[in-house]
Amino acid sequence: IQMTQSPSSLSASVGDRVTITCRASEGIGRYVNWYQQKPGKAPTVLISEASTLQSGAPSRFSGSGSGTDFTLTISSLQTEDFATYYCQHSYSTPPWTFGQGTKVEIK
Amino acid sequence: EVQILESGGGLVQPGGSLRLSCAASGFTFDNYAMSWVRQAPGKGLEWVSAISGSAHTTYYGDSVTGRCTISRDNSKNTLYLQMTSLRADDTAVYYCVKDQSSWPTDFFDSWGQGTLVTVSS
Repeated sequence: IQMTQSPSSLSASVGDRVTITCRASEGIGRYVNWYQQKPGKAPTVLISEASTLQSGAPSRFSGSGSGTDFTLTISSLQTEDFATYYCQHSYSTPPWTFGQGTKVEIK
Repeated sequence: EVQILESGGGLVQPGGSLRLSCAASGFTFDNYAMSWVRQAPGKGLEWVSAISGSAHTTYYGDSVTGRCTISRDNSKNTLYLQMTSLRADDTAVYYCVKDQSSWPTDFFDSWGQGTLVTVSS
């Protein structure tokens, strides 16, 4: 199963609403997770099973989707949100592939 | 507090071998599946291998199948990745990650800081 994220990068301002999409090459139910990675750091999980906000993740992050199309939304971008975001599927059998990443930069 | 600490990375020649270790604490180790995820310099994340909490089941990505062996010692709370026939494209930071469940995979809820493996002559 291939995971295709778009865009690969974006520029946005503090306060903007940001949407990142992830498309699976076949239907995967709601088995998508989203991770945030800041430069030089390990990733951390934001969202599991498409829309479950994980402990420690700010409420401005939300996820949606099912089947093949998924979305990560940041409702009001904050300075600390500038990072790279990855989707990953956890459906059925491996490999549990990641998307190629979306880098969110300051405009 | 969950703590995950990788070790064993370094510079190795093409065709060589390396064993990565991952010491875990702060949770009941054998209750959770574990994985290795790698990231080549400037690139994205690639899942490499996973093992169930009981160690009875293992999985491998296509790029390492036949060259890597994942294992765990639940008495020592330690995860391993034995890598052989290393190639330049194995150069990456290797992360040890804890799964949310005992069976791979649910999602990765804790990550180590990573250990760098460089394959070069």
